[in-house]
Amino acid sequence: DAKTTQPTSMDCAEGRAANLPCNHSTISGNEYVYWYRQIHSQGPQYIIHGLKNNETNEMASLIITEDRKSSTLILPHATLRDTAVYYCIVRVDMYSGGGADGLTFGKGTHLIIQP
Amino acid sequence: DSGVTQTPKHLITATGQRVTLRCSPRSGDLSVYWYQQSLDQGLQFLIQYYNGEERAKGNILERFSAQQFPDLHSELNLSSLELGDSALYFCASSGRTRQDEQFFGPGTRLTVL
Repeated sequence: DAKTTQPTSMDCAEGRAANLPCNHSTISGNEYVYWYRQIHSQGPQYIIHGLKNNETNEMASLIITEDRKSSTLILPHATLRDTAVYYCIVRVDMYSGGGADGLTFGKGTHLIIQP
Repeated sequence: DSGVTQTPKHLITATGQRVTLRCSPRSGDLSVYWYQQSLDQGLQFLIQYYNGEERAKGNILERFSAQQFPDLHSELNLSSLELGDSALYFCASSGRTRQDEQFFGPGTRLTVL
């Protein structure tokens, strides 16, 4: 799986959009970008994933650059409950012939939402 | 609530002992994954089972083993425990719909004294 680089920490004001960047310059053509988050020692939670098109769900939006070397997770209206460590993970989708394997978590970005 | 349950929530034991952690996946999920989260190593994938068979291995020590039973619940066995095994152990499941999203349980906090 390709390696990812994320800032160690970020602050965002409550109610504003939180934009979390991720660099994955060595991403392969069949690798997806996944985002998970972990709220203080709870189990990680899936947020969103995508291949090359921008994706949106009820939690967030994922913007992937055209060259796919970086992406941004957007939480449109951050709340205090969004304070968590956010992990960007690149891996082959199981349905695209990806190997059966666990997720490789880096250190992630500690997002702190300020009141 | 992810639908994945883990027991016990907390476990305190002594070095050299053996413990068993239990995981019940979401209804219908065939894959179970085990992860270890410690302060120095972060979140690490240990092992995956799919419908009773071992599917993938990560950084699992030889002192650790797992199995998945016919009812799809899984157990992680940790033996000859060392102080460094103190960590949060998470179980995740996937596969009811797509394999690409893993649902994590609340974890078991293991303390080895």
